[in-house]
Amino acid sequence: AQSVTQLGSHVSVSEGALVLLRCNYSSSVPPYLFWYVQYPNQGLQLLLKYTSAATLVKGINGFEAEFKKSETSFHLTKPSAHMSDAAEYFCAVRGSTLGRLYFGRGTQLTVWP
Amino acid sequence: EAGVAQSPRYKIIEKRQSVAFWCNPISGHATLYWYQQILGQGPKLLIQFQNNGVVDDSQLPKDRFSAERLKGVDSTLKIQPAKLEDSAVYLCASSLQTSGGADTQYFGPGTRLTVL
Repeated sequence: AQSVTQLGSHVSVSEGALVLLRCNYSSSVPPYLFWYVQYPNQGLQLLLKYTSAATLVKGINGFEAEFKKSETSFHLTKPSAHMSDAAEYFCAVRGSTLGRLYFGRGTQLTVWP
Repeated sequence: EAGVAQSPRYKIIEKRQSVAFWCNPISGHATLYWYQQILGQGPKLLIQFQNNGVVDDSQLPKDRFSAERLKGVDSTLKIQPAKLEDSAVYLCASSLQTSGGADTQYFGPGTRLTVL
C-alpha cells in the first residue's frame, strides 16, 4: 500500500526566500512520486515527477525535488519565492501497479511581499 | 492541445436530489480518472477507466455513485441521491496509458458541488 504525509498544512515565506515543502511517502514497492500545484478554482498542474532516472528532479517554475530513499522523502524546494508561487501544493505517490495516485492533504503556500 | 474539459463548473443541489458531471479527456488519452476532493484534503480516486472498461472502482460508493465512459472517450459521473457529505470538487483527469509507471495525469478544472 502507498501513502503520503505532507508536514505542515500552511507555509509562509517572504518573496525571495527559500521555499521548502515537505513530503514523506510510504510504499511497499519502488515508488513513482509527483508534485502537483493547484491555483484557486483550477485543476492540478504537474510540477515534476520522480521516475528513478535521477534522484534530483527539476520541474517547472524553478522548482526541484530530491528523492531520498533512506529518509523516504521527496521534499520540494525553490531557491527564491515569487508572489505567483502562492498556491496549494500536493505530493502524490503511485506504486507500480494500476495507475492510482495517492495524494497528501496538501500544503498551502503563502508568499509575503 | 486542448486540455481536459469538465462541465458544469459549479452546481448547487438539495440533498436527495441527483446530479451528473461530464468530462471530455485529452484526445488520444486511453485512461480517464474521476477524483473527489473534499475541502482541506487531497484528491481521492473514485474510479479509473481504461478505454471504456473499469480498471479500479474500489473507492466508489456504488449505492449512490455511478460512472460510465461510452465509446472510450467522454465520461459522466452521477450521484443519486446526493448527501451533504458529497459536497466537494469533482476532478476529472486523463493520461496516455495505465499499468502504473510515470505517465502524467492531466487534470480538468473540476466541478464544485454544494449539497444543501
